[in-house]
Amino acid sequence: KNEVEQSPQNLTAQEGEFITINCSYSVGISALHWLQQHPGGGIVSLFMLSSGKKKHGRLIATINIQEKHSSLHITASHPRDSAVYICAVYPGGSQGNLIFGKGTKLSVKP
Amino acid sequence: NAGVTQTPKFQVLKTGQSMTLQCAQDMNHNSMYWYRQDPGMGLRLIYYSASEGTTDKGEVPNGYNVSRLNKREFSLRLESAAPSQTSVYFCASRLNKGYEQYFGPGTRLTVT
Repeated sequence: KNEVEQSPQNLTAQEGEFITINCSYSVGISALHWLQQHPGGGIVSLFMLSSGKKKHGRLIATINIQEKHSSLHITASHPRDSAVYICAVYPGGSQGNLIFGKGTKLSVKP
Repeated sequence: NAGVTQTPKFQVLKTGQSMTLQCAQDMNHNSMYWYRQDPGMGLRLIYYSASEGTTDKGEVPNGYNVSRLNKREFSLRLESAAPSQTSVYFCASRLNKGYEQYFGPGTRLTVT
């Protein structure tokens, strides 16, 4: 079983829809990263969080440490949000190298 | 600030050839990383350097070597390329433990 699981693997939405991507992990962590990768592109850090909620524009990330679960929400989705979204965790008490989920491929149709 | 830069962007090698992937960061970060990304596998850590002068193996180090040339630069060498090393390679850096990682644009390597 992977230590970081994302769901869904693939997601298609219509422009304007509210989108949720989920991440569950099985290890104790010190922090969690949400990353974005556009087709053929590089990887950009969206959020790093260790508790509560963070918001940046139309993106909201939440984390529940007790339930070992995080969600990434996109409000008023747009075709330019089409990308792969990757969840990654920093295991607690270690050198702190990231453990990655396999990503959620999001396609937003106009 | 250029952030994290990688060269080359694309490379095609024949089996058995060698090459070095270059990575540099201008953010004065202490830690640097090399990852590979394969379809259906997610990102996997090849080697990392927690600070200048140190390097350590990650999850998939076989067939690779690294050099932390100075604080800015961290190179990845394939001594004898194999088709299984066909992948997209990403370099990343971060200031210290507890800080977020910043990724380079990637190198797409094909070994025939």
